[in-house]
Amino acid sequence: DAGITQSPRHKVTETGTPVTLRCHQTENHRYMYWYRQDPGHGLRLIHYSYGVKDTDKGEVSDGYSVSRSKTEDFLLTLESATSSQTSVYFCAIWGAGANVLTFGAGSRLTVL
Amino acid sequence: AQSVTQLDSHVSVSEGTPVLLRCNYSSSYSPSLFWYVQHPNKGLQLLLKYTSAATLVKGINGFEAEFKKSETSFHLTKPSAHMSDAAEYFCVVRMDSSYKLIFGSGTRLLVRP
Repeated sequence: DAGITQSPRHKVTETGTPVTLRCHQTENHRYMYWYRQDPGHGLRLIHYSYGVKDTDKGEVSDGYSVSRSKTEDFLLTLESATSSQTSVYFCAIWGAGANVLTFGAGSRLTVL
Repeated sequence: AQSVTQLDSHVSVSEGTPVLLRCNYSSSYSPSLFWYVQHPNKGLQLLLKYTSAATLVKGINGFEAEFKKSETSFHLTKPSAHMSDAAEYFCVVRMDSSYKLIFGSGTRLLVRP
């Protein structure tokens, strides 16, 4: 997966608890993304980052925050998880040379 | 509003017949366009991309797509479907200079024997 690692890969949590998903890249790319995938909706952009400490909202950012304190890590936080945030979350990087999105393997989150 | 629309949520074809998956976009920016495929319980794989070079783009596994600016379309085609093509296909558009990349809602391709 082009040096992209997502953790955890699977998580079950309860409503109201905080959750943090981590995306780690080894290729020093500037642009990183968090998407969620739900049936019938495709992938929807939550937040993306265009550099250390530089982030912007996507289509479905409510209830999510992100942080990027170093180039290789992009964290997605659900401050208080809700059942509607049950989804598969994908991290992606925009490749400097190939100019395409390359995805991590995904993190499946279940909020009970 | 800038958006990307995949006109069919499901497409069913017989093996050996042509495939057409439709994508339209709305953008005030000269877009970069992509098609990705996701096989069941698998990750996302790039099929092809358009970035303002040739309007007819060839991708992997015999797929190709044509960028038509006048129609704001980027339809994906394949002359002859294989069983292994059964998957979900996503059209992706880079809407503006911000590197924000937006997905369509996906088209699930079913290939009948």
